[in-house]
Amino acid sequence: AQKITQTQPGMFVQEKEAVTLDCTYDTSDPSYGLFWYKQPSSGEMIFLIYQGSYDQQNATEGRYSLNFQKARKSANLVISASQLGDSAMYFCASFYNFNKFYFGSGTKLNVKP
Amino acid sequence: KAGVTQTPRYLIKTRGQQVTLSCSPISGHRSVSWYQQTPGQGLQFLFEYFSETQRNKGNFPGRFSGRQFSNSRSEMNVSTLELGDSALYLCASSYGQGANEQFFGPGTRLTVL
Repeated sequence: AQKITQTQPGMFVQEKEAVTLDCTYDTSDPSYGLFWYKQPSSGEMIFLIYQGSYDQQNATEGRYSLNFQKARKSANLVISASQLGDSAMYFCASFYNFNKFYFGSGTKLNVKP
Repeated sequence: KAGVTQTPRYLIKTRGQQVTLSCSPISGHRSVSWYQQTPGQGLQFLFEYFSETQRNKGNFPGRFSGRQFSNSRSEMNVSTLELGDSALYLCASSYGQGANEQFFGPGTRLTVL
């Protein structure tokens, strides 16, 4: 079964600096997808970025980029130019075998002014 | 295009009661998944429906059940509520089974007293 590990329960970053949130996954399935979601205190999960296991290039969406290292089974999220509104919980998730989603335990990011 | 909606947003019940939560997916989406989120267990997959059929099920007792209607709207029912059922219940929709991206609703926060 898929397992998602996020080793950073909490992180601080200075406003306008870049931050990397770690995520490793464990699967023997050759086809899978990796996601990052943001969950503000309101509770809603907001989709940030997606990386497919066969994608050759790292995914980017605005200030978000996914550092995909397949051999290391890591899918770290990089947020450039942090903003105060980026303070939230961030979840890494994997998808495989038709809508089986597995979520990591999350990283709480605090952006300091 | 309207997002995923969940009703009610907040609910307080007592042990032994039952509860029904509702989820309306994004128009055109046919897959609906349900998740339970608690501080201790994190995000856990409950079940997924596609075209009115349950396609996947997580490791939850039979007290947790669901259904999907012909308009793709879905309901989740929990019978004989226990204190441990207190959680944020999230619904997510996607275009098709095996789709790459799930869009989450704001969640229903259930408190069992």
